[in-house]
Order: sequence, then C-alpha cells, then structure tokens
Amino acid sequence: ETGVTQTPRHLVMGMTNKKSLKCEQHLGHNAMYWYKQSAKKPLELMFVYNFKEQTENNSVPSRFSPECPNSSHLFLHLHTLQPEDSALYLCASSQRGYTFGSGTRLTVV
Amino acid sequence: KNEVEQSPQNLTAQEGEFITINCSYSVGISALHWLQQHPGGGIVSLFMLSSGKKKHGRLIATINIQEKHSSLHITASHPRDSAVYICAVNRPLNYGGSQGNLIFGKGTKLSVKP
Repeated sequence: ETGVTQTPRHLVMGMTNKKSLKCEQHLGHNAMYWYKQSAKKPLELMFVYNFKEQTENNSVPSRFSPECPNSSHLFLHLHTLQPEDSALYLCASSQRGYTFGSGTRLTVV
Repeated sequence: KNEVEQSPQNLTAQEGEFITINCSYSVGISALHWLQQHPGGGIVSLFMLSSGKKKHGRLIATINIQEKHSSLHITASHPRDSAVYICAVNRPLNYGGSQGNLIFGKGTKLSVKP
C-alpha cells in the first residue's frame, strides 16, 4: 500500500451505465490528481485539485466528472462512456513528491 | 515529438547485469522523477531529483541540468526489478500551467531473466 487507495481495482461497465471511481489518501497532501493511462501512451493528466478546489481540467470530456469533497477524497464519476475510454485510471496526491494509487482498470463494453 | 523521451523502449537483461535507462527532456523543469510501474498497474515513486545524484539501495539516479538528461541505473539486477520505469518532469512554478503538473515519458519496459 502506498498510502493512496483506489477502488475498485477493476471495473467493467456498459456505455449506458453510471459508475464512480474513488480515491482516498490520509497523507496530509494538499493536491490530488486523476491520470489516464492508455496502452502505448504516456500518462495523461485529467484533473488537478488543490485544497479541494479544481485547478485544472485538461480538456477532459464532460462524461468524466470529478468531485473532491475534502482534501482526503477524490471521485471520478463516469457516465455514457465510450469503448475508447477503456484504460487504467490512476489517482495521485502530492505535497513535495508524488504518491500514486494502484489504479482502476476500466473496461467499457 | 514528446517533451520527455526515454530510451530504450524495451530492455531485456540477465540477472546480475548493470542496467541503464535514459531520459531526455526538452523543456525547463523544476524537478525530475523516476517512477516504477509493476504489471498490476500501481506506480511507485523511486526518485525526485533537481540536481546531482541520488542512491537508494541498488538504484542510482543522476541528472545533468545543462544537458537536460537523466539516467536511472540498476546494479546487480534481479528478476523482481522487472517493471516499466517512467521518467516524468515538473515544469517550474512560474510556468503558466498547473502547479505540480507532471509531463511523462512513455516508459521503458525492463525484463530481467534469471
């Protein structure tokens, strides 16, 4: 365990489903991130939250909706996804260095 | 062309060999990170560097700011070192982008055979 916990580890969902990914850290870090990792591509930043406030939305489609209710929790709400959204979704937190979660392997069918 | 380039893309070594993975970047940075990703997907931070050299066990990371180049060395490699090693850089804080935004390389897949 790295200190950043992501659930679920694996998720299969249909294109009409609504699901949520959860990320939790109790490291006292002020910044939290969602990254997407597709096959053969570098990690891509999706969203950044600093002190619960969203400071960056990296041109992410609206079918991905982040929520940060407090500095320890970060959610990614998913609805009407496409098969090309299938990827590994990684959460990270940072203060000086970065701590990553184990990721959620998402498959959209 | 990616702002962070790694070489090689794939590397196969025999147990005990000395391994070097290279990272070159084309932008100004405040720090460089070496990360390790195992097949399960989770990422572990190995090093954060802004200058010089750091050592942790069998791992050594160096950075040359003038040449915009970093290397990750593994001494006495072992099959458990098999993973994808990712180089990532932080832009300086006075850059217009988000604080803490990392730019990632595509990773080097290392396989160490017994």
